[in-house]
Amino acid sequence: DTAVSQTPKYLVTQMGNDKSIKCEQNLGHDTMYWYKQDSKKFLKIMFSYNNKELIINETVPNRFSPKSPDKAHLNLHINSLELGDSAVYFCASSQDMAVADTQYFGPGTRLTVL
Amino acid sequence: GQQLNQSPQSMFIQEGEDVSMNCTSSSIFNTWLWYKQEPGEGPVLLIALYKAGELTSNGRLTAQFGITRKDSFLNISASIPSDVGIYFCAGITQGGSEKLVFGKGTKLTVNP
Repeated sequence: DTAVSQTPKYLVTQMGNDKSIKCEQNLGHDTMYWYKQDSKKFLKIMFSYNNKELIINETVPNRFSPKSPDKAHLNLHINSLELGDSAVYFCASSQDMAVADTQYFGPGTRLTVL
Repeated sequence: GQQLNQSPQSMFIQEGEDVSMNCTSSSIFNTWLWYKQEPGEGPVLLIALYKAGELTSNGRLTAQFGITRKDSFLNISASIPSDVGIYFCAGITQGGSEKLVFGKGTKLTVNP
């Protein structure tokens, strides 16, 4: 009964490929997020969605396209992968879009671009 | 943009010792949060602080929201091996466009 789940946990791929990471939350939350954690462990928000609508897009290259088919899912599609995209990507969710709402993080997807 | 300076970057301590880490900023924050990330997992919220001067405990953990609203500290008392992980502070900025900003983390190693 994992609250926030992500698949895959590890993803190794070649430069130039297109890949997707999936996220699902079973908490009934309205808001979901994607974060990128770089090799120095710095966590930076990329996107947030509230009820399937984009709320935050933090100067992320347009090769990254989030898609929310319903409020329990927020997938991240990345086109034309680059070496610098290698990182751990975390999905998170919160009850609603108030910034002070507690965010629950998924286990992360480690993406390695070769 | 707002930045959080978290220190120390890493700590190596013996089991039983107390630990202290802090976050500072030149900006004012409305809320301070402390997260712990264990290897291979996502961050988990430990303590949330909502008022300047607030002191909150969660078991062996104690955190305080600085009076100036520009800093916060986290103390861990009587550390145990399972305290190992990366501890992140995060702050919610003041103003119309609120944002959650993370510090760069403190990596804690506890030797049995």
